[in-house]
Amino acid sequence: DAKTTQPTSMDCAEGRAANLPCNHSTISGNEYVYWYRQIHSQGPQYIIHGLKNNETNEMASLIITEDRKSSTLILPHATLRDTAVYYCIVRGNSGYSTLTFGKGTMLLVSP
Amino acid sequence: GAVVSQHPSRVICKSGTSVKIECRSLDFQATTMFWYRQFPKQSLMLMATSNEGSKATYEQGVEKDKFLINHASLTLSTLTVTSAHPEDSSFYICSAHGGSGANVLTFGAGSRLTVL
Repeated sequence: DAKTTQPTSMDCAEGRAANLPCNHSTISGNEYVYWYRQIHSQGPQYIIHGLKNNETNEMASLIITEDRKSSTLILPHATLRDTAVYYCIVRGNSGYSTLTFGKGTMLLVSP
Repeated sequence: GAVVSQHPSRVICKSGTSVKIECRSLDFQATTMFWYRQFPKQSLMLMATSNEGSKATYEQGVEKDKFLINHASLTLSTLTVTSAHPEDSSFYICSAHGGSGANVLTFGAGSRLTVL
């Protein structure tokens, strides 16, 4: 699986959009970009994933660049409960393979 | 959506004793489950892959005789930490593919083990 690079930490004001970047310059054609988050002392929570098209669900939007070498997770209106470590993971979508976690980005949402 | 349940959420044990952690897929069947370990301020590290009806596959550096994994049914995998020591204190998390998003890995809430 391709390696990802994320900022160590980010701050965001409550109610504002949080834009979390991820670089995955070595991504291959059949690999998807997955985003998970982990709130303190809980298991990781799935947020969204995509291949090349932008994706949106009730939690977030995923913007993938045309060359697929980077992506941005957007939380449109961050709340205090969005404070968590956010992991960007690249993985092939065939079979039942696992996920390899990097260090992620610690997002702190403040009042 | 798919739900993975872990039990217990917290356990404290004495050094030298064994502890069993259960991982259940509540509304789907999981032929494969994954066990992770997370030390404080570190990321999740895969320990082993649990396969229903067959032996688990362990990652390099994980002692299979110390971390016993049993996947006896399509909805239950157990991790037993044998002869636990303080250095085994950690956050253990299981996961499984399942439900409508078969390619999405769903995680349990985790089990925090403290060995005194």
